[in-house]
Amino acid sequence: DGGITQSPKYLFRKEGQNVTLSCEQNLNHDAMYWYRQDPGQGLRLIYYSQIVNDFQKGDIAEGYSVSREKKESFPLTVTSAQKNPTAFYLCATSQGTTEAFFGQGTRLTVV
Amino acid sequence: QQPVQSPQAVILREGEDAVINCSSSKALYSVHWYRQKHGEAPVFLMILLKGGEQKGHDKISASFNEKKQQSSLYLTASQLSYSGTYFCGTVEIQGAQKLVFGQGTRLTINP
Repeated sequence: DGGITQSPKYLFRKEGQNVTLSCEQNLNHDAMYWYRQDPGQGLRLIYYSQIVNDFQKGDIAEGYSVSREKKESFPLTVTSAQKNPTAFYLCATSQGTTEAFFGQGTRLTVV
Repeated sequence: QQPVQSPQAVILREGEDAVINCSSSKALYSVHWYRQKHGEAPVFLMILLKGGEQKGHDKISASFNEKKQQSSLYLTASQLSYSGTYFCGTVEIQGAQKLVFGQGTRLTINP
């Protein structure tokens, strides 16, 4: 099936650890996005990429890093510099002026 | 620049109508509307492009006033299934082609 796969669904991080969230798509979309959602809050843009090997910071990029080595993949690393990483993370893709498609999300908790 | 949504929350009885507004201080290329159920990924409703238009399907429709950079989502004769949080997303004409979202409007439909 065509779509976006985020993994894992649930992730636990210890203080001081880096963790990487996976986002894979087989829709052949050029643009990929990472959003963070806190309880009762909106979707805040972390990073986005319009083409392979290029990405841009969003509104809350501090403490996060990404790579876009392949069109299909846009992994997000939550570094130890992110002091409050507990949140729901959503990956999305789009092509041109069409709608964005979302993955099912990864819920990250600091333990 | 994140769009601003209003109201933040709405409580309706089944069968009543609702309007959710989305505004931006920037010139917009497109406005997207999504609905999210608790703990799930946002689901696409519709997209409106620059040029000012109105779209709709079933009992949900939307308009885009290009001059005012405002969009409104109209839900008529609301059903229980309409409950959830509604997000507008916008893409600005100038600058990077990134999709940013408002803070959301929580809609509760009671029997």
